Amino acid sequence: GENVEQHPSTLSVQEGDSAVIKCTYSDSASNYFPWYKQELGKRPQLIIDIRSNVGEKKDQRIAVTLNKTAKHFSLHITETQPEDSAVYFCAARRGTARQLTFGSGTQLTVLP
Amino acid sequence: DAGVIQSPRHEVTEMGQEVTLRCKPISGHDYLFWYRQTMMRGLELLIYFNNNVPIDDSGMPEDRFSAKMPNASFSTLKIQPSEPRDSAVYFCASSPRGRAPNEKLFFGSGTQLSVL
Repeated sequence: GENVEQHPSTLSVQEGDSAVIKCTYSDSASNYFPWYKQELGKRPQLIIDIRSNVGEKKDQRIAVTLNKTAKHFSLHITETQPEDSAVYFCAARRGTARQLTFGSGTQLTVLP
Repeated sequence: DAGVIQSPRHEVTEMGQEVTLRCKPISGHDYLFWYRQTMMRGLELLIYFNNNVPIDDSGMPEDRFSAKMPNASFSTLKIQPSEPRDSAVYFCASSPRGRAPNEKLFFGSGTQLSVL
């Protein structure tokens, strides 16, 4: 099955700086890569996703890049704010499947 | 829509007791997933249903775990007998019908289970 590795497990940045979280996947048939944000004590919520036919996608301060050849994808958050502090999970899914395989999560802390 | 509804929010029980977690998916969603979240293992898929039929239960840890979906608006995850290592947050999620792979998962608020 699919295996998704995520790094780093914790990340601290100063407010206004950028944050980058990286994930690698093992199954070359995976073609959908969402990112979920989980605030403390809350449910995970989708913040951005990318399909394998696209190399990059942006949504305001958030962007995701995908390198299919290397089988890795990254989340980029620019101009970080304290409310960006949360656990971020990457995930991967094969085209014919419905289930997501999640990475282990990154605890992002934005220091004021 | 109220979103995915899970109950109870918190459950504290003693080892050996039966535990039943409940989930009401978003109306009209065809897929329902049960995930378990722990610090050590992150978010693990336990089982998922399509139109009330279990599709993949390979993530169910052992026979002590069972899940049912008797109708489109209700699912249960049962642990019997419960053990301390079952302590975790259990999330239910649903997603709508549509051509894979582009459907968003909508998570419930989760059930925090503590087995003493």
